[in-house]
Amino acid sequence: DTGVSQDPRHKITKRGQNVTFRCDPISEHNRLYWYRQTLGQGPEFLTYFQNEAQLEKSRLLSDRFSAERPKGSFSTLEIQRTEQGDSAMYLCASSLPQGGGKNIQYFGAGTRLSVL
Amino acid sequence: AQSVTQPDIHITVSEGASLELRCNYSYGATPYLFWYVQSPGQGLQLLLKYFSGDTLVQGIKGFEAEFKRSQSSFNLRKPSVHWSDAAEYFCAVEDMRFGAGTRLTVKP
Repeated sequence: DTGVSQDPRHKITKRGQNVTFRCDPISEHNRLYWYRQTLGQGPEFLTYFQNEAQLEKSRLLSDRFSAERPKGSFSTLEIQRTEQGDSAMYLCASSLPQGGGKNIQYFGAGTRLSVL
Repeated sequence: AQSVTQPDIHITVSEGASLELRCNYSYGATPYLFWYVQSPGQGLQLLLKYFSGDTLVQGIKGFEAEFKRSQSSFNLRKPSVHWSDAAEYFCAVEDMRFGAGTRLTVKP
């Protein structure tokens, strides 16, 4: 169990560019989540996958954001035409829900995005 | 509306002193509850969780939390704080909703 890994750890980009982040979950976990966290705030839910199916998307996830988990393993989060307001920490988490809805999420270290 | 509230944005305690971080929730039923800790530039680490049963739950690093249904609270406690406990602490509920966090500073 190597934990949840995210790549890159830091990304600096210019406004208008596209960026893509990768998340590798804990291997046996079937759920994968993406969150955004801005300074001084708690993580805000963006979307989650059960295996390869994207089951829920927050209204925070504008049409410039897209997430995939093509084989039910790693996931990518792409932001198109980045804006300065996209600057944040993007966190990935994974889980293997237990019976009765008990679900513990394990987080990666995050990707910090700075849009200049 | 369903919500999680952490009333204290920032708390400072002296090393060796006791600590209590507050968390209140507003839900139709008793949700599953979690406390996470985040060190600067890092992801979140689970400290403890409440699913059901004993209302006093023990976690890692000497932390505990008490679920009080009557007060809709799930406060985090530690009897003696160490300098390494300085971090941001987040309360969360089962539908992936987090509080805004409490930043803990530990004075020598």
